[in-house]
Amino acid sequence: DGGITQSPKYLFRKEGQNVTLSCEQNLNHDAMYWYRQDPGQGLRLIYYSQIVNDFQKGDIAEGYSVSREKKESFPLTVTSAQKNPTAFYLCASSIGLVIYNEQFFGPGTRLTVL
Amino acid sequence: EDKVVQSPLSLVVHEGDTVTLNCSYEVTNFRSLLWYKQEKKAPTFLFMLTSSGIEKKSGRLSSILDKKELFSILNITATQTGDSAVYLCAVEAGGSYIPTFGRGTSLIVHP
Repeated sequence: DGGITQSPKYLFRKEGQNVTLSCEQNLNHDAMYWYRQDPGQGLRLIYYSQIVNDFQKGDIAEGYSVSREKKESFPLTVTSAQKNPTAFYLCASSIGLVIYNEQFFGPGTRLTVL
Repeated sequence: EDKVVQSPLSLVVHEGDTVTLNCSYEVTNFRSLLWYKQEKKAPTFLFMLTSSGIEKKSGRLSSILDKKELFSILNITATQTGDSAVYLCAVEAGGSYIPTFGRGTSLIVHP
């Protein structure tokens, strides 16, 4: 079965700790994305990657970091510099940064900072 | 800056009702408009619209785009409780191939 997986589903973190969210896809997609979703808000882009070993900041990259060492994997680290990290995080992938760019989403990780 | 505005932000109806969700946009060099359904976790793709006036249909759901007036509507007829979800609209435009998302419309269908 092709798809995107995210882990964990729920994550609790103490203030001041870094935490890493996992995102894996087996769709052979080149492009991958991280979004943040807050209640009543749309999806806001954190980072995206067009290809292995390359990634770009989105609209709200401050306090986050990513890596893209493998095509299948695009982990997101929420650092202690992120002032308000409690949110629902969605990972997505697409064939590439091409026209008519339909994205496929993972099930999300809900992060709560205690 | 690209803008995508959805209305209403929330909607409560009873089973069997018909609903119309709106998505208006202000973007440069429009390419496509996408609708997604988000039922608790992962948004799932519904429609992609690129041309004005051509209705896309899938069962009880349909959508149409008006590129002159810069909006799209998503219609759901004979709603069921399983239609309860957040419906997201996204627009692909300009020099970026990354869609801009609206805030979504939360639809609750009561039995």
